[in-house]
Amino acid sequence: ELKVEQNPLFLSMQEGKNYTIYCNYSTTSDRLYWYRQDPGKSLESLFVLLSNGAVKQEGRLMASLDTKARLSTLHITAAVHDLSATYFCAVEKTSGSRLTFGEGTQLTVNP
Amino acid sequence: KAGVTQTPRYLIKTRGQQVTLSCSPISGHRSVSWYQQTPGQGLQFLFEYFSETQRNKGNFPGRFSGRQFSNSRSEMNVSTLELGDSALYLCASSFDGTHKYGYTFGSGTRLTVV
Repeated sequence: ELKVEQNPLFLSMQEGKNYTIYCNYSTTSDRLYWYRQDPGKSLESLFVLLSNGAVKQEGRLMASLDTKARLSTLHITAAVHDLSATYFCAVEKTSGSRLTFGEGTQLTVNP
Repeated sequence: KAGVTQTPRYLIKTRGQQVTLSCSPISGHRSVSWYQQTPGQGLQFLFEYFSETQRNKGNFPGRFSGRQFSNSRSEMNVSTLELGDSALYLCASSFDGTHKYGYTFGSGTRLTVV
């Protein structure tokens, strides 16, 4: 059974600081996704990582994938308050069109 | 272009009742997946439909069922509602259910069972 673990689950940081969210998964997978969710809202797609060594960046967020270590990271650079949200990683295997989600990391950026 | 539309947005039902939720995918998308989100269990996969066929199913009891119509719209039904079914139900739309085009989520239906 595929398991996905994120850490930390809660992250409080100051504006302007850098931090990394980690996503570990238990079995070989083909694709890894990062989503953002604001309170009471749906999931917004941030990144899709398809292969080992993949790195994608959008604004202050950068995601990377190491399939050998079964690890993805979401790095936040110079955080701003607007980044406050819950971030989920999700893993997909080719055997089925289904996403297995991590528990989510609740990020709060304080002024 | 229109996104994924879920209706209704909010729903309050009584234990024992049944409920039907609707999801209209992005035009041209043929795959619809359903997820349940609760504070305790997080986001869990319910099932996925592609071209009117269920391709994949999660570990939920038979009270949870779904279907997809020829226009790709999907419905999910929950019978004999329990308090634990209170959740945000999200559907995700994909062109063909593969990674190539990713998944776009709807705004969700928040179901409260009292």
